[in-house]
Amino acid sequence: DVKVTQSSRYLVKRTGEKVFLECVQDMDHENMFWYRQDPGLGLRLIYFSYDVKMKEKGDIPEGYSVSREKKERFSLILESASTNQTSMYLCASPPGVGGWNTEAFFGQGTRLTVV
Amino acid sequence: GNSVTQMEGPVTLSEEAFLTINCTYTATGYPSLFWYVQYPGEGLQLLLKATKADDKGSNKGFEATYRKETTSFHLEKGSVQVSDSAVYFCALSDYPSNTGKLIFGQGTTLQVKP
Repeated sequence: DVKVTQSSRYLVKRTGEKVFLECVQDMDHENMFWYRQDPGLGLRLIYFSYDVKMKEKGDIPEGYSVSREKKERFSLILESASTNQTSMYLCASPPGVGGWNTEAFFGQGTRLTVV
Repeated sequence: GNSVTQMEGPVTLSEEAFLTINCTYTATGYPSLFWYVQYPGEGLQLLLKATKADDKGSNKGFEATYRKETTSFHLEKGSVQVSDSAVYFCALSDYPSNTGKLIFGQGTTLQVKP
């Protein structure tokens, strides 16, 4: 019954490395989102995508980029990882019609530590 | 811009106690309101929602009413269980404008002791 899968639960990377976080959904949704979750700050939107090869900046896009080459896969890229990007990263996919008003599914999260 | 403010946690309760987690929002237009829950080690799950003023969302014994006059969407449960221990997030979306964003509050950690 898996709907949104993030490729890693835990990652440890070194400062300056290029990091890829992968998210795959099996619901044929157009919309996919990347959030980061930090204590006391809740979830903040990094990037989102409405369709293949389309992307929109969220509220905190600096230091990140994304790739959406196929409908089911949305990748978050840290071009040069820094310690302030240590966080929990969550991928989400609401359905296109009605957006978040119908069931939106989240992945289990990737906890990234940059050392 | 739109925003959501939740009461700070953590909230610690004994089993069978009454729970209230406060949530207020600032928004233009007519947002939909949500409560999401995150159990330890898991992603977020939708707990309940309300799409217009005076709607009451309910699920698993939890309730919240969309109060436009007080811009609030407080979460309540009459009798909490240990299994309710989790982080709770209040959120809003700008549907039907549907720019696609879901805006979250800071999250409130609930710990229920036996």
